[in-house]
Amino acid sequence: DTAVSQTPKYLVTQMGNDKSIKCEQNLGHDTMYWYKQDSKKFLKIMFSYNNKELIINETVPNRFSPKSPDKAHLNLHINSLELGDSAVYFCASSQGWNSAKNIQYFGAGTRLSVL
Amino acid sequence: GQQVMQIPQYQHVQEGEDFTTYCNSSTTLSNIQWYKQRPGGHPVFLIQLVKSGEVKKQKRLTFQFGEAKKNSSLHITATQTTDVGTYFCAGPVETSGSRLTFGEGTQLTVNP
Repeated sequence: DTAVSQTPKYLVTQMGNDKSIKCEQNLGHDTMYWYKQDSKKFLKIMFSYNNKELIINETVPNRFSPKSPDKAHLNLHINSLELGDSAVYFCASSQGWNSAKNIQYFGAGTRLSVL
Repeated sequence: GQQVMQIPQYQHVQEGEDFTTYCNSSTTLSNIQWYKQRPGGHPVFLIQLVKSGEVKKQKRLTFQFGEAKKNSSLHITATQTTDVGTYFCAGPVETSGSRLTFGEGTQLTVNP
């Protein structure tokens, strides 16, 4: 069983569309994250939830909206997609929020291409 | 802005050569983590260092945490083609609410 699974793996869509990416973890972790990785491999955190509560909300356009229905799931909805949104989006989870428990377990990534 | 700096950004080596990537923070870190991302893959946790001056080894990989806990290094001895990938350091930066902040990564290519 995959520990952190996200779907879809690939997403090709037109500018202006709305899309969602789903993430689930079966590790029993309390904290989940969304990262964006650009073409230069730079990993930038977007959001983090701890026990379904939003704890990190970086400077991300409000077209991006995360939702955590329970602590095992963290979804990402993107409205009005733009060319610059093309990237790889990684979901991750950790046992907890503090530095003693924040080893990250990443999903396989969603490769988003906006045409 | 990014507060965990990593150099070099790219490194090309011949198989059998050694490789080192360096990670520096402007503030003291309570711990530092290292991850490896294979081409087309996702970051995978390698190790965490907590103590000042700590050195840990995993086969051909040696990880060090500086005495001041502001820098760290990853050294690979006698690289192999299986070492290809991007290596990231990450540390909790206090000025960012102790959230884990990743370095820019070092992309390693190994020529056979």
